[in-house]
Amino acid sequence: GDSVTQKEGLVTLTEGLPVMLNCTYQTIYSNAFLFWYVHYLNESPRLLLKSSTDNKRTEHQGFHATLHKSSSSFHLQKSSAQLSDSALYYCALGSNMGYKLTFGTGTSLLVDP
Amino acid sequence: NSKVIQTPRYLVKGQGQKAKMRCIPEKGHPVVFWYQQNKNNEFKFLINFQNQEVLQQIDMTEKRFSAECPSNSPCSLEIQSSEAGDSALYLCASRKGQGRDSDYTFGSGTRLLVI
Repeated sequence: GDSVTQKEGLVTLTEGLPVMLNCTYQTIYSNAFLFWYVHYLNESPRLLLKSSTDNKRTEHQGFHATLHKSSSSFHLQKSSAQLSDSALYYCALGSNMGYKLTFGTGTSLLVDP
Repeated sequence: NSKVIQTPRYLVKGQGQKAKMRCIPEKGHPVVFWYQQNKNNEFKFLINFQNQEVLQQIDMTEKRFSAECPSNSPCSLEIQSSEAGDSALYLCASRKGQGRDSDYTFGSGTRLLVI
């Protein structure tokens, strides 16, 4: 079945440094759709960005990700971390396998001053 | 503010008690999901509906969990006999369609503590 891997459980970095959160996926379907959700404490998880187009950069609110089907990756990046970026980040996969999205285990991003 | 409304925000139950939580999906979203976010922050899928019908559910849901999405009423998830391991954040999400590109709108969750 479908699966999503987020290697890092916790990423800690200093404000101003670049952010990269890893996401790789597995699916037998060639037309996968990848999502990044952000979950701030005491709020609803919300969509950050999504893509199904190979090698095309998708951007939203300072974050960007590029789907690379050759390596089954959809890493989330930001050039300069802000304190307000501290949150849980989930990568998710939508495919023709079923109605539900398959989520990774999440990466907690902690940005220090 | 989320367009998916979950109540109550917090729920405290003793072991063996029933625990019931509700969800009003976003208007125009016929597909509803329940997830359990455990202490490791992992999203565990429980059950989903399209309109009033169950689409998929896991084994755990079939045994102690019951859920429904009646017409013109909130969807609900009920744990018949709560256990300590059920303590978690329960998230409801709705989706406009079944397509792979259709994203979720999440509620704020019901945080269940079983003591």
